[in-house]
Amino acid sequence: AQTVTQSQPEMSVQEAETVTLSCTYDTSESDYYLFWYKQPPSRQMILVIRQEAYKQQNATENRFSVNFQKAAKSFSLKISDSQLGDAAMYFCASNDMRFGAGTRLTVKP
Amino acid sequence: DGGITQSPKYLFRKEGQNVTLSCEQNLNHDAMYWYRQDPGQGLRLIYYSQIVNDFQKGDIAEGYSVSREKKESFPLTVTSAQKNPTAFYLCASKTMTGYGSPLHFGNGTRLTVT
Repeated sequence: AQTVTQSQPEMSVQEAETVTLSCTYDTSESDYYLFWYKQPPSRQMILVIRQEAYKQQNATENRFSVNFQKAAKSFSLKISDSQLGDAAMYFCASNDMRFGAGTRLTVKP
Repeated sequence: DGGITQSPKYLFRKEGQNVTLSCEQNLNHDAMYWYRQDPGQGLRLIYYSQIVNDFQKGDIAEGYSVSREKKESFPLTVTSAQKNPTAFYLCASKTMTGYGSPLHFGNGTRLTVT
């Protein structure tokens, strides 16, 4: 099974600022996808963004973007112009549906 | 609207009793998954199924059982052999068509065993 590690249990950011959440993974596959999911206080899991390993361009979805470093097996999530609604747990997930321990993001007004 | 329904939202049981958590999807997805979520441990994979009448153990299958008799349904039974059953349980599904499809999640069931 692939392993996913999130080393930041908690992060905080000021509203309108930028924050980066870290994720590292381990896989023996040559092509794969990686995912970031958000879990707000409602506990409903929502897909934020996904990245295919073969694509050199980092994925972007509005204010969310990734910094994918394939050689380093790193897959960080950057949230720009942070909003109060971004406060949530964020989980990194591998191609075989394994999840990291999560990062709790607090957004300060 | 298509989605995944988990019921009930809250479930209470006495220690030593088996309990079954329901998960139904109308997304026509082939694959279904069960996760357990505990504080500080993220989501841990219990069981998954990619086709009817077939399923595989995940990382923490001990004390749990599943069935997949219909494409739409993937119930999870928490048996009395599960030592710490109190947790939040999430069901998810995804299509097997196309590579890299994401998971779609239900709203979860909070199980409390006393």
